[in-house]
Amino acid sequence: VQLVESGGGVVQPGRSLRLSCVASGFTFGTTAMHWVRHAPGKGLEWVAFIWFDGKNENYADSVKGRFTISRDNSKNTLYLQMNSLRAEDTAQYYCARDLGKGGYFDCWGQGTLVTVSS
Amino acid sequence: EIVLRQSPATLSLSPGERATLSCRASQSVSRYLAWYQQKPGQAPRLLIYDASNRATGIPARFSGSGSGTDFTLTISSLEPEDFAVYYCQQRSNWPRTFGGGTKVEIK
Repeated sequence: VQLVESGGGVVQPGRSLRLSCVASGFTFGTTAMHWVRHAPGKGLEWVAFIWFDGKNENYADSVKGRFTISRDNSKNTLYLQMNSLRAEDTAQYYCARDLGKGGYFDCWGQGTLVTVSS
Repeated sequence: EIVLRQSPATLSLSPGERATLSCRASQSVSRYLAWYQQKPGQAPRLLIYDASNRATGIPARFSGSGSGTDFTLTISSLEPEDFAVYYCQQRSNWPRTFGGGTKVEIK
């Protein structure tokens, strides 16, 4: 089982960024997925969730209306479109596999760092 | 939003000692609570889910208990690799939330 994130970098406030997460070693198309972030010096924060078929999503209030989670099951890939980025979005972003109970994270990628700074 | 408060913030112990970590929820989460371990520069690792079920590959020295609003993670005898930060997390309500973490450090 492997999750590999990419797409992080340094971006100015107000700009956009899209993160990707390529999954392997399990049946991605039947598994719900999440994004979780870890800001420097802070605790973990759940960001977004998407059901296995992409038909149900949920977001943290802090990103609702700015971030969009999506997936392409034909490519075994999870995405996070981040718009109107703010300094407080600076964090290591992890994609995480759902255990199967709608909200535990049993497999994590290595993370991709997003830095929002002018 | 359900707030999870972890205590203590830091636990200073020696290898071989027993560690007891607490997580208290602002409202009942039934048994829908998990524990994770995170080491510097690494992704978190799921240890316990549904309050007391060990995740795949987790050693028996890790155990979880509790229900409702009060939960405990116990490490029966600390190994050198257990010194890390531990987080609790609930899946009872949206948004999913984490506690602030407990750092278990070497005394």
